[in-house]
Amino acid sequence: NAGVTQTPKFRVLKTGQSMTLLCAQDMNHEYMYWYRQDPGMGLRLIHYSVGEGTTAKGEVPDGYNVSRLKKQNFLLGLESAAPSQTSVYFCASRRQGYGYTFGSGTRLTVV
Amino acid sequence: AQSVTQLGSHVSVSEGALVLLRCNYSSSVPPYLFWYVQYPNQGLQLLLKYTSAATLVKGINGFEAEFKKSETSFHLTKPSAHMSDAAEYFCAVRGYNQGGKLIFGQGTELSVKP
Repeated sequence: NAGVTQTPKFRVLKTGQSMTLLCAQDMNHEYMYWYRQDPGMGLRLIHYSVGEGTTAKGEVPDGYNVSRLKKQNFLLGLESAAPSQTSVYFCASRRQGYGYTFGSGTRLTVV
Repeated sequence: AQSVTQLGSHVSVSEGALVLLRCNYSSSVPPYLFWYVQYPNQGLQLLLKYTSAATLVKGINGFEAEFKKSETSFHLTKPSAHMSDAAEYFCAVRGYNQGGKLIFGQGTELSVKP
């Protein structure tokens, strides 16, 4: 099915561990976004990309890095996980002039 | 700066009653506005969007929203609540920078009582 696929769906990390979240879209969308969702705070933008090979910081980028080496993939990395990064992470993509498509989310717990 | 405020983090209605979820926005440019629904442990599903065409927007599952520029509001309504409407609802505005990101409100959790 066409859409945005996030892997993994669930993960538990120990403080200080690293991991990469993968977002893949097969709709040839230019724009891709990583958000985190926390209770009472809605979704906040971590990083975004306006095209292959480009990335930029959003509202809450500290502790995260991203890469977009291929147009269809947008990777979110945590180099040294902290409990404050326990959250639900959503990836989204869109094409210029069109709406947004969201992935189903990744639940991350850092203990 | 653009922002969205949802009034009421929790709203409870009886089955069959009117649903009204409030959203006010702040934007210096004509806004594109969205309502999303999130069911427990699921992703976000688009309910409806306003893109400067008709001010009354009809969405899925019987929901609609009215854009009122004078009140800077985009409230979501449904005439008769169903148990299946219990979920969290997010209002959002498209940002004019940062790649056209969506700027979300804090969310409103809707409970439906039998």
